[in-house]
Parts: sequence; C-alpha cells; structure tokens
Amino acid sequence: GAGVSQSPRYKVAKRGQDVALRCDPISGHVSLFWYQQALGQGPEFLTYFQNEAQLDKSGLPSDRFFAERPEGSVSTLKIQRTQQEDSAVYLCASSLRGSSNQPQHFGDGTRLSIL
Amino acid sequence: AQTVTQSQPEMSVQEAETVTLSCTYDTSENNYYLFWYKQPPSRQMILVIRQEAYKQQNATENRFSVNFQKAAKSFSLKISDSQLGDTAMYFCALIMEYGNKLVFGAGTILRVKS
Repeated sequence: GAGVSQSPRYKVAKRGQDVALRCDPISGHVSLFWYQQALGQGPEFLTYFQNEAQLDKSGLPSDRFFAERPEGSVSTLKIQRTQQEDSAVYLCASSLRGSSNQPQHFGDGTRLSIL
Repeated sequence: AQTVTQSQPEMSVQEAETVTLSCTYDTSENNYYLFWYKQPPSRQMILVIRQEAYKQQNATENRFSVNFQKAAKSFSLKISDSQLGDTAMYFCALIMEYGNKLVFGAGTILRVKS
C-alpha cells in the first residue's frame, strides 16, 4: 500500500478483555515499530521488528503486552487482560531498512479506550 | 538514556509570519539523528525535517529550517510564512546512530491564526 495502515482506527474494550491491533507496513519495509502515545504526550517506544525477528521489546510495559510479525510483513500487537492505564493511541511505523538514518513512516494509529 | 525536552506546550502565530519551536536533548553519544514530526488532528505523524548530528549545516525543507547547536544540544524548528495548514502538534525526536527507537519530546501545539 501507499502508507502504513492500522486497524481498527478506534477500539473500545471493557477492562479485563483481550484486544488485538493490526499494522500493515509499507510494502518492502524491513523494519517495523510500535509506539504508545498517551493523551497529550509524545509517543513512547514499545517494540521493534526487523523482518520477522523481534529485536527489541524493552518498551513493552508488562507481560500482558505481546507483539508478533510472523511473516515479516503484517504485525499484531496484543494486549491481554486490559486495564484502564492501557488507554492510549497505539502507533505503528515502518522504515525501509534497519539503519537509524532511515525515516520512520507512521500510520494513523489505533485509539484504544478501556472502560 | 536519552531525553528530549520541548519547553513550549503551546504556541500561536499569525498567518504569513515566522515562528520558532524549541527543543533541547540530552545524550552522551556523539552520533545521532534529530527529527521534527508534525501530527495534525488526524493523528498521522508526518516527517517535517531531519538533521544528521555529524553535519554542521542546518537542514532546510522549503519553509521549514532548523537551528542545530550541537554543543548546546539544541535543535529548534523555524517555520516561515506560516500557513493555516501548519496547525498541528509538533514533536522533536532523537535516535542514536545504531539505535532503533525514536525518543520523542512531549510536543508543542502550534496554532496558526488568520
């Protein structure tokens, strides 16, 4: 596709439910990133993939958060037993190669609201 | 650890005028990249401009330019001839040369008034 595509755009869930957020990166982009953006704040890094390998998951806030990219393209961020503090916008980004000088291209994000 | 600080939560500017957004950062490393991203209400983060730390020359992209002061760890964004479409949240971000994660500031809301 032309850009990074994320779905759903909005997700409302009750506390304790599991949710899955999808990211479809720009075709051919090797690197994929997930960020969490709380209301009125800058995004914070969650995890990074190079192809199907998850090379950095240091930003995942707890073991309730899990991300995968099994075929090196589409990625899913899963949050188990959601809590109210998980409410945020989840941004996905991709870049052409794994080097830091490549700009990261962002999707529109998924706004997650936990009731 | 790296940090990025944007000390101006909100800024306003009249259409066609010039505005400067401030950003300071902290890192112990010598080689890194700095970015300004724009996030309109639609939420998509759009890259505005990029600066390599090893380059002394300030980056420019049309109406957007930066003032990069490496010794002072300062990286401000100047927007000339402001347009209504420039209204957005602006984020300053830093990434290490061999790093993989962008470190963002808290953002500055810019409002362009007609």
